[in-house]
Amino acid sequence: RKEVEQDPGPFNVPEGATVAFNCTYSNSASQSFFWYRQDCRKEPKLLMSVYSSGNEDGRFTAQLNRASQYISLLIRDSKLSDSATYLCVVNGRDSSYKLIFGSGTRLLVRP
Amino acid sequence: EPEVTQTPSHQVTQMGQEVILRCVPISNHLYFYWYRQILGQKVEFLVSFYNNEISEKSEIFDDQFSVERPDGSNFTLKIRSTKLEDSAMYFCASGAGDILPNIQYFGAGTRLSVL
Repeated sequence: RKEVEQDPGPFNVPEGATVAFNCTYSNSASQSFFWYRQDCRKEPKLLMSVYSSGNEDGRFTAQLNRASQYISLLIRDSKLSDSATYLCVVNGRDSSYKLIFGSGTRLLVRP
Repeated sequence: EPEVTQTPSHQVTQMGQEVILRCVPISNHLYFYWYRQILGQKVEFLVSFYNNEISEKSEIFDDQFSVERPDGSNFTLKIRSTKLEDSAMYFCASGAGDILPNIQYFGAGTRLSVL
């Protein structure tokens, strides 16, 4: 089983649509959870950390379900500029705090 | 806003040559990392560095790779004898480490092309 698993997409949606991405992780000892955004041939950029209580940042809402080892990201009112690859990322309890990346879900927002 | 900087942005080298990739982490961070991303694939962990020593390395980080923090600001990745399969984007990251949620910030990357 992959450590972090995501649907690769692409998700092709019109501007203004709501889109949801899901992710599962295999290590129940994982401690921190993130969504990063990556534009083509650029570095990963932190979109938001994910907490069990759920958290929202403008049009973006993230949820964590530790029992199911499942993370989600909801994007409301999609903009053209949201087109990117969204990376589900976890880190564990090891002393290095290394990040483990999913393969990413590609989002295309069309006019 | 503080950022991680990497140089060069693109490095072209011949197979068998040594390359050094450079990074300046965020100044008050204590944990430093190298990741790589082969074109079309996911970001993979290579090595972490804390307190002037390697804290963890992946299977990819074999004897051809080494890291160093030669002074108070730079963090380098050396590949001793490059192979074709070393062609990838190499990202440096830094983080505060033991402060949850352990956020890491990435540099813009060095694209390594081995010919």
